[in-house]
Amino acid sequence: GAVVSQHPSWVICKSGTSVKIECRSLDFQATTMFWYRQFPKQSLMLMATSNEGSKATYEQGVEKDKFLINHASLTLSTLTVTSAHPEDSSFYICSARPPLLNYGYTFGSGTRLTVV
Amino acid sequence: KQEVTQIPAALSVPEGENLVLNCSFTDSAIYNLQWFRQDPGKGLTSLLLIQSSQREQTSGRLNASLDKSSGRSTLYIAASQPGDSATYLCAATNTGNQFYFGTGTSLTVIP
Repeated sequence: GAVVSQHPSWVICKSGTSVKIECRSLDFQATTMFWYRQFPKQSLMLMATSNEGSKATYEQGVEKDKFLINHASLTLSTLTVTSAHPEDSSFYICSARPPLLNYGYTFGSGTRLTVV
Repeated sequence: KQEVTQIPAALSVPEGENLVLNCSFTDSAIYNLQWFRQDPGKGLTSLLLIQSSQREQTSGRLNASLDKSSGRSTLYIAASQPGDSATYLCAATNTGNQFYFGTGTSLTVIP
């Protein structure tokens, strides 16, 4: 149990286009999901907290108009990278916490975005 | 703001050796601490979760300890195997459920 599915696992897009990444909790409801970004050889950095039914909370320095987050249901959060540029190329990972505390946090398998 | 540091940044050991990975955090008011494994180009696999009221957790060859007062956690790997080669990340969570990740330790176990 406690599985988070992330799709797609990798995507290549042209500069200027938009890309949507989905994060689904498969066997539990998640009122809160988190989106992280990881640059090569660096650790994960929190981008934003996605809240079901309300606006996301963005970390300082993260452009909310560029990284659109929608958490329309208790099992799905989406991250849309708008007008992507090569510097947006990165590894994006989402996470959620199942209701039972001892599960800790579960992470998706990540999405490798390459903007050309 | 919580800062999490991991030492060493990279470690290379021969197969069969026991090893310890270190994680330190600046704010002792954590909710829990979690250790993850990340293989190249992959997502995170949760290894062990230690709640703030606990001092250690064990799973197979892995043992993680937590000392909140000193702001430290260690991950002990017994009888290392080549399949253990990966990057190990520790992360501290606060009451807001926000993760603060360490910089990671890249482990290579040499056959």
